[in-house]
Amino acid sequence: NAGVTQTPKFQVLKTGQSMTLQCAQDMNHEYMSWYRQDPGMGLRLIHYSVGAGITDQGEVPNGYNVSRSTTEDFPLRLLSAAPSQTSVYFCASSRTSGLLDTQYFGPGTRLTVL
Amino acid sequence: GNSVTQMEGPVTLSEEAFLTINCTYTATGYPSLFWYVQYPGEGLQLLLKATKADDKGSNKGFEATYRKETTSFHLEKGSVQVSDSAVYFCALSLFQGGSEKLVFGKGTKLTVNP
Repeated sequence: NAGVTQTPKFQVLKTGQSMTLQCAQDMNHEYMSWYRQDPGMGLRLIHYSVGAGITDQGEVPNGYNVSRSTTEDFPLRLLSAAPSQTSVYFCASSRTSGLLDTQYFGPGTRLTVL
Repeated sequence: GNSVTQMEGPVTLSEEAFLTINCTYTATGYPSLFWYVQYPGEGLQLLLKATKADDKGSNKGFEATYRKETTSFHLEKGSVQVSDSAVYFCALSLFQGGSEKLVFGKGTKLTVNP
């Protein structure tokens, strides 16, 4: 198993550009989520999904869209990038939405918005 | 609201020193508590967890006890190694909006010198 994979590893955008951060897992996990990590802020939940076709907002959803058309994939879309979205983004998955199930994190995408 | 407060770092220790990283929480109800570790350039990994008061989580020589009376979940290790250098995150789970979510502390960076 590859676990949770994220692409790209690094990305530089200009303000106003759009892009999609990819996340995939091969563990047949129901639950997937996106976090952003900022210095001195810990991780904050952006969006999550409890299964294919179901998504919901987390703590900081503004400026981001998600979809879950398959169990394996959970892409995060930045509609119009802003410097405030400069961050490291982590995707995570778990067998179920119960958090006692271990969360598996991807290696992260480092995004810089100029 | 629900929150996690960790001692601020960075923490620098010599090999074989005793480690304590303090974590306190505020939560409605009875959350589960977690410690995650992030090694340089990697995503987060679950280190240990505890689901109810007086539970002790342990892994790789690290321990933490769920103390309801002091709302704490301090991380300890008797003898640290250089390979323990990482960022450590305390987290709690809460049930909100029909699913469980993780709330993270800001992280504590540990550096262990030989």
